[in-house]
Amino acid sequence: DAKTTQPNSMESNEEEPVHLPCNHSTISGTDYIHWYRQLPSQGPEYVIHGLTSNVNNRMASLAIAEDRKSSTLILHRATLRDAAVYYCILSMGVSGAGSYQLTFGKGTKLSVIP
Amino acid sequence: EAQVTQNPRYLITVTGKKLTVTCSQNMNHEYMSWYRQDPGLGLRQIYYSMNVEVTDKGDVPEGYKVSRKEKRNFPLILESPSPNQTSLYFCASKRQGANEQYFGPGTRLTVT
Repeated sequence: DAKTTQPNSMESNEEEPVHLPCNHSTISGTDYIHWYRQLPSQGPEYVIHGLTSNVNNRMASLAIAEDRKSSTLILHRATLRDAAVYYCILSMGVSGAGSYQLTFGKGTKLSVIP
Repeated sequence: EAQVTQNPRYLITVTGKKLTVTCSQNMNHEYMSWYRQDPGLGLRQIYYSMNVEVTDKGDVPEGYKVSRKEKRNFPLILESPSPNQTSLYFCASKRQGANEQYFGPGTRLTVT
């Protein structure tokens, strides 16, 4: 499986934008880039996913480099509720077994300072 | 409310005593999966199911069994639990063709 590299931890001030980077230099053409987050004492929660183009949803934006070897999750205004571990995950396609298995790394622990 | 539920949420048991952790989803999802989460190792997939009566091994299936007799339920069975199965367990589900997986709240299992 293609691997991802994320910083262990990041800090942000409340109500400031946060840019969480992810490197995935061995990504293949069919790999989707997923972001999940895990709040303390909860199960992982889907944030966003993309393939080639930048994506926006109500939670965040995903900026994907043109060569797809890196991506950035953007939280536009961090709140205390956004303090969590953020995982960048590559997964194959949208159907079949390959799309179902998510290989979680260690993620980035985001701290939000009031 | 669309959700994945797990029971029990907390369980302390002894080595060798068979146990079942239940998982249920109300979203009519085809895919369901079990993960375990351990400090320093992240989440690792144990088993998954692509539909009723279709199950397959994930990365760490040893010591676990699953069954998928109904679409909504995907129980995890530990026939003879051992202390190295002490962990935090998550069930997840996904609609066929979708990217988003929904996770349950977790079951913290301690085997003494």
